[in-house]
Amino acid sequence: GENVEQHPSTLSVQEGDSAVIKCTYSDSASNYFPWYKQELGKGPQLIIDIRSNVGEKKDQRIAVTLNKTAKHFSLHITETQPEDSAVYFCAAGGAAGNKLTFGGGTRVLVKP
Amino acid sequence: GAVVSQHPSWVICKSGTSVKIECRSLDFQATTMFWYRQFPKQSLMLMATSNEGSKATYEQGVEKDKFLINHASLTLSTLTVTSAHPEDSSFYICSARDISQRPEFFGPGTRLTVL
Repeated sequence: GENVEQHPSTLSVQEGDSAVIKCTYSDSASNYFPWYKQELGKGPQLIIDIRSNVGEKKDQRIAVTLNKTAKHFSLHITETQPEDSAVYFCAAGGAAGNKLTFGGGTRVLVKP
Repeated sequence: GAVVSQHPSWVICKSGTSVKIECRSLDFQATTMFWYRQFPKQSLMLMATSNEGSKATYEQGVEKDKFLINHASLTLSTLTVTSAHPEDSSFYICSARDISQRPEFFGPGTRLTVL
């Protein structure tokens, strides 16, 4: 089955700096890659997603890049703000069962 | 749009009792719903996938007789934890997607504590 690895597990950045989270996946049949933000005690919230026919997608301060050949994708957050502090999960989907496989999560702390 | 609700948000029960958690899609028809379990500081673990009107498909290692899932309508799925034990204490989260199949939207989660 699909396996998604996510790095780093924790990330501390100064407010205003950029944050980058990287994920790799194993199943070349995966074709959908969402990113979720989870705040403490809440459910995950979709922040951006990308499909395999696109190499990059941007939404204001958030961007995602996808390298299908290398089977890795990354989340970039620019001009970080304290409210960006949360746990971020990458996921891969579209392969067997059309279900999502999640990475281990990255705890991001933005220091004022 | 794309709002998913869960009820209750938290529940405490005694060992041996059963607990039902509801998941509703408020503004779209959810042809597929998923149930996840999340332990503290860990990732989401998929428990089962349910399609409206069909039996749920459980992930390997998940006891289908213990975690009963019903997806009777396009806006409601329920998860019943039967004969709950302390090791069932966890954060249970549902998600839903419509016929377009993407993306998947999550509910706010239900914290279950079994005493």
